[in-house]
Amino acid sequence: QKEVEQNSGPLSVPEGAIASLNCTYSDRGSQSFFWYRQYSGKSPELIMFIYSNGDKEDGRFTAQLNKASQYVSLLIRDSQPSDSATYLCAVKTGNTPLVFGKGTRLSVIA
Amino acid sequence: GAVVSQHPSWVICKSGTSVKIECRSLDFQATTMFWYRQFPKQSLMLMATSNEGSKATYEQGVEKDKFLINHASLTLSTLTVTSAHPEDSSFYICSADRLAGTDTQYFGPGTRLTVL
Repeated sequence: QKEVEQNSGPLSVPEGAIASLNCTYSDRGSQSFFWYRQYSGKSPELIMFIYSNGDKEDGRFTAQLNKASQYVSLLIRDSQPSDSATYLCAVKTGNTPLVFGKGTRLSVIA
Repeated sequence: GAVVSQHPSWVICKSGTSVKIECRSLDFQATTMFWYRQFPKQSLMLMATSNEGSKATYEQGVEKDKFLINHASLTLSTLTVTSAHPEDSSFYICSADRLAGTDTQYFGPGTRLTVL
């Protein structure tokens, strides 16, 4: 069974710090990797996707992928209180539906 | 681009009634749409995968006769909760798989169902 593992948190960081969110996956054949942000009571919102090993940057967000280690991470620079949310890692293999982790709750403290 | 809408955003109904939820991709075509359910403080649970013009594929444990899914066009899928009961009260979210290489799922805003 395909699994995506995330630390449930909460992960608390001070405002302005770097938040590091981690995710591991079990299916070595996975090809596409996604990070979603979900505020309480709202639906998930896509932040980034990454397909290739290495780093991908978009504004304050950087996704990192290491397929050999089956590990994907999301870094949030200059964390803001508005970044406080649950971050969902999702992995896709072929034409199968996304497999989501249970999410990591991030709390940015002002 | 990549906007997905849901209607209604919330609904309250009496036990035993049926409720229909619409999911539309507004600015792209989606051959595949997905329906999720999320209970408070729990993770997303995939209910079914819906492909345009064919029968939906339901996840294990999801009653296909209770949760009717129709995907009649490339921009519209509907979920009907039949004979709803209080235990069906939940946050129902759809997503659409955008084509053109990115293989990315975009989520609708969700529908909060409360069954009295």
